[in-house]
Amino acid sequence: AQKVTQAQTEISVVEKEDVTLDCVYETRDTTYYLFWYKQPPSGELVFLIRRNSFDEQNEISGRYSWNFQKSTSSFNFTITASQVVDSAVYFCALRPFQGGNTPLVFGKGTRLSVIA
Amino acid sequence: DSGVTQTPKHLITATGQRVTLRCSPRSGDLSVYWYQQSLDQGLQFLIQYYNGEERAKGNILERFSAQQFPDLHSELNLSSLELGDSALYFCASSVTQGGGELFFGEGSRLTVL
Repeated sequence: AQKVTQAQTEISVVEKEDVTLDCVYETRDTTYYLFWYKQPPSGELVFLIRRNSFDEQNEISGRYSWNFQKSTSSFNFTITASQVVDSAVYFCALRPFQGGNTPLVFGKGTRLSVIA
Repeated sequence: DSGVTQTPKHLITATGQRVTLRCSPRSGDLSVYWYQQSLDQGLQFLIQYYNGEERAKGNILERFSAQQFPDLHSELNLSSLELGDSALYFCASSVTQGGGELFFGEGSRLTVL
């Protein structure tokens, strides 16, 4: 079975602080993909990043960085120098590769509030 | 803009009624997915279609049904509505092969009174 756990339900930080959102996943598949999505107050789901299970390189995109560790089945997301616009619900998701076109399994999300 | 279009954006109806939510996937995407987002259940996968055929089924109630038409748009039909069906319903589409990301529409917010 596939499962994604985001243990942090809500996080509140002051602007310019760094914040890390945790994600732990479970899967028996050897090939899979991991994702992060952002859901701002307006409600849409915005794709942020995709990693495949064979690529454990960390990735940085501006103030965002992701740390993928297969040994601990974790795919954590760090926002550096947070801004009020980062306030949103962030979802981690897993997509097993079983011949393609499988649905995403989402964690329950972490609500991040950045206070000015 | 993800390229996935959902209508209507908001819908208010009464218990016992039936509604239809519509989704147009991104140009070229053959797969369509429906998700339900409620406060207590998070994002739940309902059903997936690929090129007109049902490909995977999740936690979809028997009162709900969906289909994908030859032009690849999809409809989610919700019948005998209950208060607990109030939620945000997302449609997503993806490229045909591999583990690519899903692109989500803006969602249809259903309120059942």
